[in-house]
Amino acid sequence: QVQLVESGGGLVKPGGSLRLSCAASGFTFSDYYMSWIRQAPGKGLEWVSNIRSSSSYTNYADSVKGRFTISRDNAKNSLYLQMNTLRAEDTAVYYCARKSITHPRAFDIWGQGTMVTVSS
Amino acid sequence: SYVLTQPPSVSVAPGQTARITCGGNNIGSKSVHWYQQKPGQAPVVVVYDDSDRPSGIPERFSGSNSGNTATLTISRVEAGDEADYYCQVWDSSSDQGVFGGGTKLTVL
Repeated sequence: QVQLVESGGGLVKPGGSLRLSCAASGFTFSDYYMSWIRQAPGKGLEWVSNIRSSSSYTNYADSVKGRFTISRDNAKNSLYLQMNTLRAEDTAVYYCARKSITHPRAFDIWGQGTMVTVSS
Repeated sequence: SYVLTQPPSVSVAPGQTARITCGGNNIGSKSVHWYQQKPGQAPVVVVYDDSDRPSGIPERFSGSNSGNTATLTISRVEAGDEADYYCQVWDSSSDQGVFGGGTKLTVL
């Protein structure tokens, strides 16, 4: 079935780096734009980044611009988020999400999320 | 940047109708999507593009959007509808996704 599975979360010190991965299955990954969305503990959803199907274009929330890099490997059906210079406020569950083709500005499939904790 | 405003909480008795609003400047000109998130789970889309319902979502869920307010309406509310609900748009001017702050629906 259609599935997204995130990995790579964990505990990291402020200023450190972490790379998240998202493995896609059950659909033609290369056909879809993909996004990362995060949720701080007890808080709402925050869109983080977006990448087009061919990696030709990426964009970021102002809060992570210059520190995070989204990428994908269509041959491996995988999405990535390289997070550098991490701050306490980056602590959150990070979800990868598929952008719908039929409803292009919505997220129709979500992973279960991976927790990132930034703390000394 | 574009801001979406939702009430923090809405309470309704079983069998009644719940209405969750999402306010934004001229939101009626945008496509609004609604997500349901139950504790410990990932969000699930319940309404696309203001009023389209994905397959598998009960007809009790509907949406509307006009002027400065979009509304998610849940008819004949059930205990299983208790969750957090988020509205979302795509802000074309910044080319960024935007979520509302979320509304906790409590079924009394």
